[in-house]
This record gives sequence, structure tokens and C-alpha cells, in this order.
Amino acid sequence: AQKITQTQPGMFVQEKEAVTLDCTYDTSDPSYGLFWYKQPSSGEMIFLIYQGSYDQQNATEGRYSLNFQKARKSANLVISASQLGDSAMYFCAMGNSWGKLQFGAGTQVVVTP
Amino acid sequence: NAGVTQTPKFRVLKTGQSMTLLCAQDMNHEYMYWYRQDPGMGLRLIHYSVGEGTTAKGEVPDGYNVSRLKKQNFLLGLESAAPSQTSVYFCASSYPTGVPHGYTFGSGTRLTVV
Repeated sequence: AQKITQTQPGMFVQEKEAVTLDCTYDTSDPSYGLFWYKQPSSGEMIFLIYQGSYDQQNATEGRYSLNFQKARKSANLVISASQLGDSAMYFCAMGNSWGKLQFGAGTQVVVTP
Repeated sequence: NAGVTQTPKFRVLKTGQSMTLLCAQDMNHEYMYWYRQDPGMGLRLIHYSVGEGTTAKGEVPDGYNVSRLKKQNFLLGLESAAPSQTSVYFCASSYPTGVPHGYTFGSGTRLTVV
């Protein structure tokens, strides 16, 4: 069975600083994908970044990067140069070869001026 | 350019009433999903479908039924609503290229059962 764990329920970060959101996972599937989504207070799910289990390099998308450590089964999200608009709930998720996407409990990020 | 559309966006039900949530996608995606989101628990998979005419149970299927009669539509039914089904419901779709790279979410349906 798959499992996604986000151990940080909430975090405060100052504007312009970097923040790392932790995510660990467990799966027996050799092929899987790891995702990060942002959910602002308006409620929509916004896709941020994707990492495939066979990808050799860590994924990056603008200010977002995914620190993928396969042996440790971790997929931490790094947000560089935080902005006030980054305040939101962040979810780590894992998709398997059957297409099922499973989510962690989320981390609430508050960016302060 | 609609993507995934959920209707309705808000609904209040009385205990025991029934209702159907509609999810429609215009991206020709094979896979479709229904999730519920409760505070502190992230999104949990209720049911999903890997193609027209197929459905399968997710993590929390009890109290819900689904149908996928047309590829573009995925319906979630509550036959006898209970207060425990008060939640925000999200529909999503994805394309099946091995492990799907992209999931598109609807904007959610906020359901309150009183």
C-alpha cells in the first residue's frame, strides 16, 4: 500500500527567504510519480511540480524545486525567495502506474513581511 | 478551454436526501477521480475510473456510488446523505501514459449535510 507523510502541519517563513516542505513516501511500485500542489484560500488545486521515479535529475519549475532522494523515499519541496502570495496549503502526492493519486495531509505555509 | 467542470459548486442537503455531483472534462482524458477533502486530512480518493464504463473503489467509498457512462462525465451519487459526508469534493482527470504526469482538478463542490 502507498503512503504519503507530511510531518509539518504549519510553517511561518519570512518574505524573500527559502522554505523546505518535507514529504516522505512509501510504495512497493517501481514506477511512480511525485507531485506537489498548492491550495490557496480560494480552494483550487494548483499543480506546482512533478518528479518521476526514474528521473535522474531533480525537477525544477521557476522558484520551485523538488529535492528527490529515492533511497530515503523523500521528495521535499523547496520554495526559493518566498513571496506573500506563496501563503497557502501545500500538498505532496504520489501517483502510481494504475493512475491513482494519493495525497499527504498537507503543510500550511504563512509568509510574513 | 474549460478543463474539468464540477456542478454544483455549493449544496446543502438534509440528512437522508440524495444528490448527484457531476464532473465533466473536455480533454479526452481516460482516467477520472472523485476525492473528498476534510480539514487536516488532505484529499482522499472515493472512487475512480480508468475508462468509459469502468469504476473502482478508492480509500473511502462507503456511502457513495459512481457512474461513467460517457468518457467525458463522471458522476458521484449520495443515496442517503449523512452529516459525515459534509466535505469539499474534488473531481480530477488525467491521461494514462504509464504513471500519469498531469492531473487536472475541478474547482470543488462544497457540500453540507445538516
